[in-house]
Amino acid sequence: DAGITQSPRHKVTETGTPVTLRCHQTENHRYMYWYRQDPGHGLRLIHYSYGVKDTDKGEVSDGYSVSRSKTEDFLLTLESATSSQTSVYFCAISVGGLSSNSPLHFGNGTRLTVT
Amino acid sequence: DQQVKQNSPSLSVQEGRISILNCDYTNSMFDYFLWYKKYPAEGPTFLISISSIKDKNEDGRFTVFLNKSAKHLSLHIVPSQPGDSAVYFCAASAGGTSYGKLTFGQGTILTVHP
Repeated sequence: DAGITQSPRHKVTETGTPVTLRCHQTENHRYMYWYRQDPGHGLRLIHYSYGVKDTDKGEVSDGYSVSRSKTEDFLLTLESATSSQTSVYFCAISVGGLSSNSPLHFGNGTRLTVT
Repeated sequence: DQQVKQNSPSLSVQEGRISILNCDYTNSMFDYFLWYKKYPAEGPTFLISISSIKDKNEDGRFTVFLNKSAKHLSLHIVPSQPGDSAVYFCAASAGGTSYGKLTFGQGTILTVHP
């Protein structure tokens, strides 16, 4: 599983509250990604990071922010959760760098419900 | 605008037969394609990939075919096994620094009956 731990695994929160999801990796990989999975859309890229304090926006970044102050942790924050952010969130890492020999490895996801 | 499409939401096959999952894309900048398998309550697991310089890549029971002119790829599983029952996602990227920035299809649920 490439040493990826996502926490929490499940969370229910109310509209308007802030939420932070954590992705932790144990193998010092540089490239990390946050995706969300929704029915009819597959997985969509939210934010990604190419190293400590080096982050950028993906396809569906509105309403989300990220931080990476340590190599091993990539945090995804919903500043004010909305019902449209109810989803399953996956963290992924690129084990061998950016190349065709390094497909992404995914964590087991966080199921977030916003009521 | 869905740049990667899997038009079959589900596929049902008999154990031992061939499973063929299809995927179409529209972005000509994509040059790296992957298939992932996903079981419930788990993250997607990498299966097989192909770069645009090839038209076929094989790994055991899994073969991916790429038809660049038609912007179409397919995954063949032979022979299919009940343990192959899962959701299959195709994904694509533009390569270079974009390797990890994948665009996914909607997924196809494969059911293999014993």
